[in-house]
Amino acid sequence: QVQLVESGGGVVQPGRSLRLSCAASGFTFSSYAMHWVRQAPGKGLEWVAVTSYDGRNIYYADSVKGRFSISRDNSKNTLYLQMNTLRAEDTAVYYCARPEGVLRVYYYAMDVWGQGTTVTVSS
Amino acid sequence: DIQMTQSPSTLSASVGDRVTITCRASQSISSWLAWYQQKPGKAPKFLIYKASNLESGVPSRFSGSGSGTEFTLTISSLQPDDFATYYCQQYNSYPYSFGQGTKLEIK
Repeated sequence: QVQLVESGGGVVQPGRSLRLSCAASGFTFSSYAMHWVRQAPGKGLEWVAVTSYDGRNIYYADSVKGRFSISRDNSKNTLYLQMNTLRAEDTAVYYCARPEGVLRVYYYAMDVWGQGTTVTVSS
Repeated sequence: DIQMTQSPSTLSASVGDRVTITCRASQSISSWLAWYQQKPGKAPKFLIYKASNLESGVPSRFSGSGSGTEFTLTISSLQPDDFATYYCQQYNSYPYSFGQGTKLEIK
């Protein structure tokens, strides 16, 4: 079955770095753009970043631009989020999500979500 | 950037009620709007795409409508499993954005 499994979360001090992973299975990962979405404790959903199926088109939320980097390894069916210079406000559950259609990075909602991995930024 | 505003923030209703949640975009997004349901401690569940298209497997009591800047999610007859938080999301342009959520509570 189609599945996304995030990992790599944990407790990290402000200013430090962390890399999240999202392992995909049950579908042709290399044909899909992929997203990261986060949710701070008790708050709503915030879109973070997207990469096209081939990694050539990437967009970020203003709140993470210049600090976070999204990437993928299609040979490993894995999506990554490198998070640098972490701040307390980056504390959240981070979800990876798949678009509802293939190839295009635009005009697709997100139909498959992982269970999330928790990042806590605290001294 | 496009801002999404949902109303109400909280809605109290009973099993069997018909409820409507509204989502407004700060500029036209055509029909590039999705709705998600989220329960505590769980990932969001995809309900509706392109404003009014029901995802496969989603009960027909859910429906969506609207275009441009104003959209609605309607649940025709609330079931116990429907009490959750609902989010709208625009995917007309990046950065994608979500509404702040509507918590549907049992009256």
